[in-house]
Amino acid sequence: AQSVTQPDIHITVSEGASLELRCNYSYGATPYLFWYVQSPGQGLQLLLKYFSGDTLVQGIKGFEAEFKRSQSSFNLRKPSVHWSDAAEYFCAVGVRNNDMRFGAGTRLTVKP
Amino acid sequence: DAGITQSPRHKVTETGTPVTLRCHQTENHRYMYWYRQDPGHGLRLIHYSYGVKDTDKGEVSDGYSVSRSKTEDFLLTLESATSSQTSVYFCAISETQGSEQYFGPGTRLTVT
Repeated sequence: AQSVTQPDIHITVSEGASLELRCNYSYGATPYLFWYVQSPGQGLQLLLKYFSGDTLVQGIKGFEAEFKRSQSSFNLRKPSVHWSDAAEYFCAVGVRNNDMRFGAGTRLTVKP
Repeated sequence: DAGITQSPRHKVTETGTPVTLRCHQTENHRYMYWYRQDPGHGLRLIHYSYGVKDTDKGEVSDGYSVSRSKTEDFLLTLESATSSQTSVYFCAISETQGSEQYFGPGTRLTVT
C-alpha cells in the first residue's frame, strides 16, 4: 500500500541549531516529492519539490531536501533554525495521474 | 500566493444539519481537491475534481458530496453533519494530478 511516514511527531531544537526532518515513503512508482509548512491557523505553503534530476533540491526560507532512492527517503534540512521556523511540516508524495498522500506531520518547536 | 479563497472560514452547526463549504480559485487550474485535517492524521483527501462536472472520491469520502459547475468553484456538502466531521477543511488546486498543490486558508467546522 502507498504510504508516507514522518517518524517524528514533535521535534525541539534551539535557535541557530541545525534541523533535519525525516520522511520515508512506500510507493511502487517513482514519485514526486514535496515538503509543506503550516503555521498555526494557516494553510499549507509549499517549501520545495522534487520531480527528477539533482537529488538535492533547494527551497524557500533556506530549506533543502535530499532524495535518496535507495532509502525511499526525502529528508528536509536547514543549517540554522530561526524562531520563525516554528510550525508544522508535512511531507507529501505524488504520483503522476494519481492522488497526493501526506505524512502525519512533524511539529517543530524552536527554543530561544 | 495562489488565488484560493474558502468560505466560510469558521462555522458551527448542529448534528443532522446540511453544510456547504465553498472553494473559489482565480488560477484557472484544472484540478481541485477537498481535504480534511485532523491531529495525527495529516491531510486526508475527501473528493477531488479534474474538470467541470468531473469528480471522484478520495480516501475519506463517506458522508460528503461535491459539485463543480464552474472551473473556479468547488463545493463540498455534508448532507447531514455528524460530530465526527468536526475538522479543519482545506481546498487545494493543481495544474496536473500528482504535481504540486496550492492550498486555501481552511475552514474550521464544528458540529455540536
